[in-house]
Amino acid sequence: DTGVSQDPRHKITKRGQNVTFRCDPISEHNRLYWYRQTLGQGPEFLTYFQNEAQLEKSRLLSDRFSAERPKGSFSTLEIQRTEQGDSAMYLCASGQRVNYGYTFGSGTRLTVV
Amino acid sequence: GQQVMQIPQYQHVQEGEDFTTYCNSSTTLSNIQWYKQRPGGHPVFLIQLVKSGEVKKQKRLTFQFGEAKKNSSLHITATQTTDVGTYFCAGPESNFGNEKLTFGTGTRLTIIP
Repeated sequence: DTGVSQDPRHKITKRGQNVTFRCDPISEHNRLYWYRQTLGQGPEFLTYFQNEAQLEKSRLLSDRFSAERPKGSFSTLEIQRTEQGDSAMYLCASGQRVNYGYTFGSGTRLTVV
Repeated sequence: GQQVMQIPQYQHVQEGEDFTTYCNSSTTLSNIQWYKQRPGGHPVFLIQLVKSGEVKKQKRLTFQFGEAKKNSSLHITATQTTDVGTYFCAGPESNFGNEKLTFGTGTRLTIIP
């Protein structure tokens, strides 16, 4: 499989717990993006990596959110002290060229109870 | 910040009828991208338009980019059940080096067999 992989597919957590999601991009893609999508809405940009460098962060990414991409390969997105408002689909995408179509993963659906 | 709106929000058509969704950006775009998201799925890249007034076709799908590069449309001829899903347009934000895509609000297409 040469697509973008995300793990886990679903995560149910209690409010206040920490969660971590993983994204494995297409190997030859140096760009990696995290988006968040709530029901009935379009994806919202969270952050972006070029290789291992995190170059942009949205204001949506509060201090409770952190993302890493060690060695420019896979990426993790951690949410600390989860809140019910964090419930959403977290989508990872990768790309090879700036400003061209992304390949999205299947997403991680987070439910905070 | 940049806003991207789409109309209509929902469209129900009989199988075989045509379908059109319209996309409008609050700012001039360097390009416009279109994605399709099936129910329960993730966004899948369809096409990118770059030039003012550009028209591209993919089988029954016709994509247009406005002369002012602030609007776009997707037209599907003779819809089929496989066309069901939500169609999003997305434009890059120049303030973010074109790496951040702002997605539209989406048009959800349902087909009545």
